[in-house]
Amino acid sequence: KNQVEQSPQSLIILEGKNCTLQCNYTVSPFSNLRWYKQDTGRGPVSLTIMTFSENTKSNGRYTATLDADTKQSSLHITASQLSDSASYICVVSAAGYSTLTFGKGTMLLVSP
Amino acid sequence: NAGVTQTPKFQVLKTGQSMTLQCAQDMNHNSMYWYRQDPGMGLRLIYYSASEGTTDKGEVPNGYNVSRLNKREFSLRLESAAPSQTSVYFCASSVGGGTANQPQHFGDGTRLSIL
Repeated sequence: KNQVEQSPQSLIILEGKNCTLQCNYTVSPFSNLRWYKQDTGRGPVSLTIMTFSENTKSNGRYTATLDADTKQSSLHITASQLSDSASYICVVSAAGYSTLTFGKGTMLLVSP
Repeated sequence: NAGVTQTPKFQVLKTGQSMTLQCAQDMNHNSMYWYRQDPGMGLRLIYYSASEGTTDKGEVPNGYNVSRLNKREFSLRLESAAPSQTSVYFCASSVGGGTANQPQHFGDGTRLSIL
C-alpha cells in the first residue's frame, strides 16, 4: 500500500530560526513529490513539486530536497517568520495514477 | 482571482438529512477532486473527475455521490448524512492528473457537522 510518513508530528521554533521537516514514502512507481502549506482554516497551498530527476527545489525561504533512492524528502525553512506557522503536508504521486497519497502533516508553530 | 470556490463554508445537518456541497473553479482546469480531512489523518480522496464527463471513486466513496456538471463545477452529495461524515471537505482542481507536474489548487473547505 502506498504510504507517506512525516516527522515530526509537531514542532515549535523561535522566530528567525531554521527548521527541517522530514517525509518518507513508499509510493511506487514514483512520479513526483509535492509539499503543501496549510494555514489554519484554509485549504492547502502548493510550495514545490519535484520529479524523479530533481533533487532540490526552492520557493523563497522554503527549500525542498528529494532522494529518490532512499525515498526521502525534506523541507527546510530558513529564517522562520510568524506567518510560517501552519501544517506542512508531503504528497506523493504514483506514475500511471490520477490520484495522490497525502501525509498527515507536520504542525509548525513559530513563536515570537 | 477566485480560484476554487466552495459553498457553503459551514453546515450543520441532522442524521439522515441530505445536502449537496458545491465547488466551482475558474482556471479552466480539466481535473477536479473532492477530499475529506479529519483530525490526525491525511487528506483522503472521496471522488475525482479526470475530465469533464468522467468521475471515479477514490479511497472513501461510500455514502457520497458526485456530479461533474460542466468543466467548471463539481458537486458532492450526501444522500443520507451520518455522524461519521462529520469532517472538513475540500474541493481541488488541477490542469491534469496526479502524474502531471502541476499543483492541485484547493478551495478553503466546507466544515460539515452531522448531529
